[in-house]
Amino acid sequence: EVQLQQSGAELVKPGASVKLSCKTSGYTFSNYYMSWLKQMPGQNIEWIGNIYGGNGGTGYNQKFKGKATLTVDKSSSTAYMDLSSLTSEDSAVYFCARLGHYSLFDYWGQGVMVTVSS
Amino acid sequence: DIRMTQSPASLSASLGETVNIECLASEDIYSDLAWYQQKPGKSPQLLIYNANSLQNGVPSRFSGSGSGTQYSLKINSLQSEDVATYFCQQYNNYPWTFGGGTKLELK
Repeated sequence: EVQLQQSGAELVKPGASVKLSCKTSGYTFSNYYMSWLKQMPGQNIEWIGNIYGGNGGTGYNQKFKGKATLTVDKSSSTAYMDLSSLTSEDSAVYFCARLGHYSLFDYWGQGVMVTVSS
Repeated sequence: DIRMTQSPASLSASLGETVNIECLASEDIYSDLAWYQQKPGKSPQLLIYNANSLQNGVPSRFSGSGSGTQYSLKINSLQSEDVATYFCQQYNNYPWTFGGGTKLELK
């Protein structure tokens, strides 16, 4: 069974950084891309970027370049996303999602709430 | 960026009813269109891809149609477990973009 387990909720101060994790199981991590997405409260979903589990190759939504940095650790089948210089606009739920056939988000993590507040 | 406009933003329907949700793309996306269902407090789940293909395990009362810039999701015989927010998403062009969502409630 494919599973994506995300790290717990974060409360961070403005200007700080945070690193989110997405630990996977049930499939060959290095054969798939992982995506990260942002959902602000009551709002629509934004695609942040993709990273390939095999070699760490990335592709970003231009809007999130400089804000998000995606990495992987193949040895632990875990994907990470660093968010930097946090502001209130970064307060949201962040999801990791496996990119399956036809470039579809076929399995999702449970999401993690990031709250930016002093 | 391709803008995805969903309508209606919210919808109230009775059990057993048929429901239609529309999604309009700002340019032709050549049927590279998916529909997701998100229940409160949960992550989205893939329902439909390539505009009209049903994801494995999704009930057959869900169907998708459309082409070019206009797409729709149809739910036949509405069930209580269908209460959720539904999103369309295009994957024809980067950046991939989502519609604003349609919140479906029971009447």
